[in-house]
Amino acid sequence: DTEVTQTPKHLVMGMTNKKSLKCEQHMGHRAMYWYKQKAKKPPELMFVYSYEKLSINESVPSRFSPECPNSSLLNLHLHALQPEDSALYLCASSQPLRSSYNEQFFGPGTRLTVL
Amino acid sequence: AQRVTQPEKLLSVFKGAPVELKCNYSYSGSPELFWYVQYSRQRLQLLLRHISRESIKGFTADLNKGETSFHLKKPFAQEEDSAMYYCALRGGTSGSRLTFGEGTQLTVNP
Repeated sequence: DTEVTQTPKHLVMGMTNKKSLKCEQHMGHRAMYWYKQKAKKPPELMFVYSYEKLSINESVPSRFSPECPNSSLLNLHLHALQPEDSALYLCASSQPLRSSYNEQFFGPGTRLTVL
Repeated sequence: AQRVTQPEKLLSVFKGAPVELKCNYSYSGSPELFWYVQYSRQRLQLLLRHISRESIKGFTADLNKGETSFHLKKPFAQEEDSAMYYCALRGGTSGSRLTFGEGTQLTVNP
């Protein structure tokens, strides 16, 4: 299996809702990432997990809470989001950080709309 | 600080014409450079990395450290090349953090 999968594909939520985005890979990668992508813009890094530990948090608001329960799964818990948080949320995975060959493989994304 | 600049937001060529997507970078050390492509309704995927020095789908890119550039080239563009192209940089001290350029939307007209 050489793909990163993400669920759901689309999500609409109100500002008081709590929801979660899920990401899964079975390539044995030990680094996983969350990105946010606005329309016609490049992906912006949010979080990096390395060996299931949070390695990088790009000063993301606390209404976004990442979780890496095991080496194959990555979640992003959402709570009290704002309409400006509407975007495509991308998950990626790669070989461990500092490996000489650590191409990032991206999932298809979850299209999030906050009403 | 690391920075990637793609000067053209939009690029339009005719089928069979040569195409060059420009990418310039700013980084004080030895960076790794990549080109990612995002076709309509498809996921972001790696097209080229400079250390591989390979040709993928007819595209090549050469790292020019003197000019701090990593331009993407193809001698004969095809309609299926129409997509958004992102140049990205990973600095040696930044772990796996990728810095993306703003992207160039390439349209190949029949």
